[in-house]
Amino acid sequence: DQQVKQNSPSLSVQEGRISILNCDYTNSMFDYFLWYKKYPAEGPTFLISISSIKDKNEDGRFTVFLNKSAKHLSLHIVPSQPGDSAVYFCAARAGYSTLTFGKGTMLLVSP
Amino acid sequence: EAGVTQFPSHSVIEKGQTVTLRCDPISGHDNLYWYRRVMGKEIKFLLHFVKESKQDESGMPNNRFLAERTGGTYSTLKVQPAELEDSGVYFCASSQGGRSYNEQFFGPGTRLTVL
Repeated sequence: DQQVKQNSPSLSVQEGRISILNCDYTNSMFDYFLWYKKYPAEGPTFLISISSIKDKNEDGRFTVFLNKSAKHLSLHIVPSQPGDSAVYFCAARAGYSTLTFGKGTMLLVSP
Repeated sequence: EAGVTQFPSHSVIEKGQTVTLRCDPISGHDNLYWYRRVMGKEIKFLLHFVKESKQDESGMPNNRFLAERTGGTYSTLKVQPAELEDSGVYFCASSQGGRSYNEQFFGPGTRLTVL
């Protein structure tokens, strides 16, 4: 049973527009959420995170929103750039436990 | 500073053979993790070392998988004998010690294909 779900396998966006990647989770014990970005033939790299005590965290063009009641988080990229094209993984952890990942969403930003 | 390195980058073996994957974490990182991603699926946790000790091996699929981290530096993951369903990308990650939300740095992965 998947505890972290990314229901969109792929997303296509035009350069300059907003990219919104969604993630749902089922485990109410999760208290820390992360987004990782992965290019082909490379390992995932940390992008941005949010603690469950917050509902928004912003870092430059990247913003993560957390809706605890809906067990939903989203990553917004504004404006999107072709270099953002990658697979984005949502991950979660409960306390000091290990990371639980989703299946990933492939983002394609076209010029 | 060098990142997490993994060797080999690719491995193609036949069912029943043995394969050993190696991971060199970032120098000074006490925590070392192994993950696996089967094509199109989620990245799944396999196990976690703190220095040379196995902190959590709840994700290891079965006893055909053996992980070691002698001396608390590099780690190896041996699959013996390999089965078709073991195919996937094996990632290693490391993080600094201490009980905090330390960022995990991932290696590029080893793509294992079992024929």
